[in-house]
Amino acid sequence: AQSVTQLDSQVPVFEEAPVELRCNYSSSVSVYLFWYVQYPNQGLQLLLKYLSGSTLVESINGFEAEFNKSQTSFHLREPSVHISDTAEYFCAVSERTGNQFYFGTGTSLTVIP
Amino acid sequence: EAGVTQFPSHSVIEKGQTVTLRCDPISGHDNLYWYRRVMGKEIKFLLHFVKESKQDESGMPNNRFLAERTGGTYSTLKVQPAELEDSGVYFCASSQVGKESTEAFFGQGTRLTVV
Repeated sequence: AQSVTQLDSQVPVFEEAPVELRCNYSSSVSVYLFWYVQYPNQGLQLLLKYLSGSTLVESINGFEAEFNKSQTSFHLREPSVHISDTAEYFCAVSERTGNQFYFGTGTSLTVIP
Repeated sequence: EAGVTQFPSHSVIEKGQTVTLRCDPISGHDNLYWYRRVMGKEIKFLLHFVKESKQDESGMPNNRFLAERTGGTYSTLKVQPAELEDSGVYFCASSQVGKESTEAFFGQGTRLTVV
């Protein structure tokens, strides 16, 4: 079975500061990696994903994540956060031959003006 | 195009009552999934339909939960009788066959509170 660890349950950060949300996973097989975001009163939205190829993936709003196979990590970074980035962020994995997601417990990011 | 739609958005019921959650997947998506997040915990898989067939229901917590997808379109998840520990947010997701996780879309979730 797969498992995903998000050690930081809450991360407060000042506006325009950089932030890193950590994600580590455990798997004995090849996986796809995802970050989902849930804005207040909204559903889960895909932020970015790693399927293959370049280990650095980017979202349209400036977030990026890097797949590190040796460290089994997929940390999410944003060099300069905005108030609108306040949300809960979930890291997830799925087996390449599987059909379900395994999620972490989520990290609540609060951007302070 | 409409996304994954879930109804109701919120439900508050008393312990012992019955509640039915509904999910309308994106049109053409044969894969339909139910997930649940209990407060402070991870989002956990409940079950997976391919069309009207249950492909994997290994995550269903117990026999008080019944999921159906008659006709292979929308799905319902019934909890009967509800217990306090059933409180949480229930998410539905859908995808096309062959793109199970790579192109999955989630609904807004139903927040269930059992009092």
